[in-house]
Amino acid sequence: DVHMTQSPSSLSASVGDRVTITCRASQGISSWLAWYQQRPGKAPKSLIYAASSLQSGVPSRFSGSGSGTEFTLTISSLQPEDFATYYCQQYDTYPRTFGGGTKVEIK
Amino acid sequence: EVQLVESGGGLVQPGGSLRLSCVASGFMFSNYEVSWVRQAPGRGLEWLSHISTGESTVYYADSVRGRFTLSRDNAKNSLFLQMSGLRPEDTAVYYCARDDQIRGLEYWGQGTLVTVSS
Repeated sequence: DVHMTQSPSSLSASVGDRVTITCRASQGISSWLAWYQQRPGKAPKSLIYAASSLQSGVPSRFSGSGSGTEFTLTISSLQPEDFATYYCQQYDTYPRTFGGGTKVEIK
Repeated sequence: EVQLVESGGGLVQPGGSLRLSCVASGFMFSNYEVSWVRQAPGRGLEWLSHISTGESTVYYADSVRGRFTLSRDNAKNSLFLQMSGLRPEDTAVYYCARDDQIRGLEYWGQGTLVTVSS
């Protein structure tokens, strides 16, 4: 199985800050990496697919990069609605696996 | 508007069975693969199972293989997760999600809570 490791597990940031979350795969997954946002009590929402493509309707302050085993999600200017938990997921092979999540909290 | 609505959750005793349903609308259900993902209280997301468009291929996580069975009825735009041999560690919110080979889990349902407890 492909193991996904996210870092950090949590972070504190202020509105307007630039935030970067890292996701590492235990083996190469090409660009088959997605990022999801989950607000408390809500279902996850897809943000980015294929490592760097924005889902329809997702604000352009979100961006993704990477390939192979190293990936990043960047929020260029954190907004109040962005305080949430973010998960990466590989969909290169089965079983499809998620990272442990990164909780973004208000500083 | 794409919608996925799960149902069938509830309280069940250890060793018991439960059948979850997911009804899709707003898109051609038969053209899309679908997956189930769960989230235990206070924990992260866990991928569980995936089914192809024609039901010819189904994948399972090791944690549920042999206990859970995924099926679909394209005529009814519905997905079913039959769960048996339930354990307390199966307690979670269960989500269905439309699964695209390129776009990943693009759309999610609101989830249904399964509680396994005596």
